[in-house]
Amino acid sequence: QKEVEQDPGPLSVPEGAIVSLNCTYSNSAFQYFMWYRQYSRKGPELLMYTYSSGNKEDGRFTAQVDKSSKYISLFIRDSQPSDSATYLCAMESGTSYGKLTFGQGTILTVHP
Amino acid sequence: GAVVSQHPSRVICKSGTSVKIECRSLDFQATTMFWYRQFPKQSLMLMATSNEGSKATYEQGVEKDKFLINHASLTLSTLTVTSAHPEDSSFYICSARTATAALYGYTFGSGTRLTVV
Repeated sequence: QKEVEQDPGPLSVPEGAIVSLNCTYSNSAFQYFMWYRQYSRKGPELLMYTYSSGNKEDGRFTAQVDKSSKYISLFIRDSQPSDSATYLCAMESGTSYGKLTFGQGTILTVHP
Repeated sequence: GAVVSQHPSRVICKSGTSVKIECRSLDFQATTMFWYRQFPKQSLMLMATSNEGSKATYEQGVEKDKFLINHASLTLSTLTVTSAHPEDSSFYICSARTATAALYGYTFGSGTRLTVV
């Protein structure tokens, strides 16, 4: 079993839709949770960085963390074609400094 | 925000040759940088942690003699793939942890696509 599970998709939605992306994890030591966006042949770009359970909002993006269920989500409101990319969840424990464990990534396409 | 510059973006080399990839932190000092590898349609896997002025720490299964890491200054880390073979073809990405990690987390370079022919 992988430490982090993420549905690779692909996910295709119309412009303006609300997108829900999810990851589950098995390692209870994970304390820090991130969502990255990666365009083709580019490095990942940090979207959201959270520490505790709860919600964090930044513009059209909302990240949710539920540590009791070992489940994190990223919601994208009013999705745009420019949001088409691969979305990666990543996690870090409080003791393994710098070692990020990534999900497989979900390929998202937002069509006009 | 923090910027990590990675070069080259793409390189093709012959089997048996060595390739050097550079990663620079442009507007901050990075005492620690991280090197990842990403195969097609797969996630990023941490290869090694690069520490300024000391030896790199390699993840299990990563050959330290094949993937040489040098972190000679606070703004530059290099990864050299020695005696490259076709199975080393991959996307290599570096990252650095910024001082305000609670806000900005880890910043990644733009990646280097290595093709060994």
